[in-house]
Amino acid sequence: SQQGEEDPQALSIQEGENATMNCSYKTSINNLQWYRQNSGRGLVHLILIRSNEREKHSGRLRVTLDTSKKSSSLLITASRAADTASYFCAPNTGGFKTIFGAGTRLFVKA
Amino acid sequence: EAGVAQSPRYKIIEKRQSVAFWCNPISGHATLYWYQQILGQGPKLLIQFQNNGVVDDSQLPKDRFSAERLKGVDSTLKIQPAKLEDSAVYLCASSLVISQYNEQFFGPGTRLTVL
Repeated sequence: SQQGEEDPQALSIQEGENATMNCSYKTSINNLQWYRQNSGRGLVHLILIRSNEREKHSGRLRVTLDTSKKSSSLLITASRAADTASYFCAPNTGGFKTIFGAGTRLFVKA
Repeated sequence: EAGVAQSPRYKIIEKRQSVAFWCNPISGHATLYWYQQILGQGPKLLIQFQNNGVVDDSQLPKDRFSAERLKGVDSTLKIQPAKLEDSAVYLCASSLVISQYNEQFFGPGTRLTVL
């Protein structure tokens, strides 16, 4: 597996706004996972998108995958203070190892 | 369903001392992982077990770190002797099976401070 690079490194928005963070990777993948880490619940798996999928939804989360551009984005709609966390992407090339990047730090102001 | 348990939650030691962390994965999960997370960085995989066998320990500093998973259930990670740069949060995770599609479930971590 390879490490994804999240962008931006940090993001600050107002409650109610949408937050978009991006992930780029270098080689072909089988799937890509997004994780969230905050002080309250620790590191939690959010969503997995397979290479043959272009978009996936889970509640207020929307993940897209563009394999031609080797990139993925995570959109959080109508953000809440509780969404304040670090978000990590983990692209998988077929191995069993999950490699985390440095993450995007999201701060949602109430 | 009980989550991944880790202890202790916090540990402060002096350099050159030894320390051990314990992890109890979710019942029935065959795969167990130990990660090291330094402040401001993402978690880095140290070692991965499938039942009681090691799948990957390529990033484990074997001169000072050791880990075992006797009986394929809970696991301990040991550092001996500790260095200042070992200050980090040590996360344990488990998954049902070893698969590229698996979801990992993480414990709360042990925050280690080496003085």
